[in-house]
Amino acid sequence: GESVGLHLPTLSVQEGDNSIINCAYSNSASDYFIWYKQESGKGPQFIIDIRSNMDKRQGQRVTVLLNKTVKHLSLQIAATQPGDSAVYFCAETSRDNTGKLIFGQGTTLQVKP
Amino acid sequence: GAGVSQSPSNKVTEKGKDVELRCDPISGHTALYWYRQSLGQGLEFLIYFQGNSAPDKSGLPSDRFSAERTGGSVSTLTIQRTQQEDSAVYLCASSPSREASYEQYFGPGTRLTVT
Repeated sequence: GESVGLHLPTLSVQEGDNSIINCAYSNSASDYFIWYKQESGKGPQFIIDIRSNMDKRQGQRVTVLLNKTVKHLSLQIAATQPGDSAVYFCAETSRDNTGKLIFGQGTTLQVKP
Repeated sequence: GAGVSQSPSNKVTEKGKDVELRCDPISGHTALYWYRQSLGQGLEFLIYFQGNSAPDKSGLPSDRFSAERTGGSVSTLTIQRTQQEDSAVYLCASSPSREASYEQYFGPGTRLTVT
């Protein structure tokens, strides 16, 4: 079946440092890969997406890298801030392209002041 | 503009009772999704509505779970004869279209506790 996994359940970084959150996926046919941020008590919030025909996309302080050779996705956060503390999920569009997303388990990012 | 809203925010129910969870998607969004998130876990797809098409129910864990979407807007997820393993946060999301499914906007969720 389809699965998405993250390499580390918890990542702790110093404020101001760069953060890298990794994800492995299994569905080579996914059109899109997406990163979500979930703060405590809230629903996931869309951060950035990347289409399968791209290998890099940049947003504000965030960069997503896609390596289709090894089925690896990463989220880089520059100059990490306390407000970045949250659980980060990677997701991919499902193989049947019906619209549902397949989510990974999540990585908790802890930012130390 | 208004985002996705869900009610109630918290629901405690006794095992065996039925519950209804409500979702109000973003106005104009044709696609609506329900997910379940157990403690410390990722999101598990439950059901998906797109316009007037038949819903994709492939993620519903049992026939105790059902959902409907009236008038292409508000959706209700119903769990009959609740069990303790149904305890989770139930999240609703909407997107502008099926083609834009990668752009899903989530509500705050309903935390269901079955005692």
